[in-house]
Amino acid sequence: DAGVIQSPRHEVTEMGQEVTLRCKPISGHDYLFWYRQTMMRGLELLIYFNNNVPIDDSGMPEDRFSAKMPNASFSTLKIQPSEPRDSAVYFCASSLGLAGFSSYEQYFGPGTRLTVT
Amino acid sequence: AQKITQTQPGMFVQEKEAVTLDCTYDTSDPSYGLFWYKQPSSGEMIFLIYQGSYDQQNATEGRYSLNFQKARKSANLVISASQLGDSAMYFCAMREGYNTDKLIFGTGTRLQVFP
Repeated sequence: DAGVIQSPRHEVTEMGQEVTLRCKPISGHDYLFWYRQTMMRGLELLIYFNNNVPIDDSGMPEDRFSAKMPNASFSTLKIQPSEPRDSAVYFCASSLGLAGFSSYEQYFGPGTRLTVT
Repeated sequence: AQKITQTQPGMFVQEKEAVTLDCTYDTSDPSYGLFWYKQPSSGEMIFLIYQGSYDQQNATEGRYSLNFQKARKSANLVISASQLGDSAMYFCAMREGYNTDKLIFGTGTRLQVFP
């Protein structure tokens, strides 16, 4: 079975440009998560969806970041305009979810390494 | 206050020996879950083990076990019979509360296994 698929794997862009990261979750998973990993801040949750609906976006840094999930098999994270401080590895993860007494782990994609110059 | 604390930035262990990676957590919610993930140098995040706050027994998955001490709020990962392939970053994470799937990650511990 295919795992979580992310594209592109690497992205280099200039400050001010729009960046779109893409994610395809594991089929049948109801939950999708976007994380950012940096040396300074570690791994932090940006936003997560349940059944395509955003549940918690408290980690989204600012209005330059937006995320959508138009259907169960696709999500995007967009940064517009991008800034050098957005340089990081962005992970998408999916899970069967169920809050509460759930042991369902999150399956992570390979990540997108974003460099903004 | 940090929700998840991993105090060991780096650890060394000889192949075939056991190693314990420390994790303490902070929550006042009685319902929570604790996870350990491995991140090799290739970058992917790999789930290792889970412990629920109401689980009576410590979780085990193959060579991985979780030493769960609820009163001390610690959830240390024990890797038995270390292998060279265990060299990686290890992250402890917590899902806090009943109505969320949000994971909060610690800063990680880099484990290096030497022959």
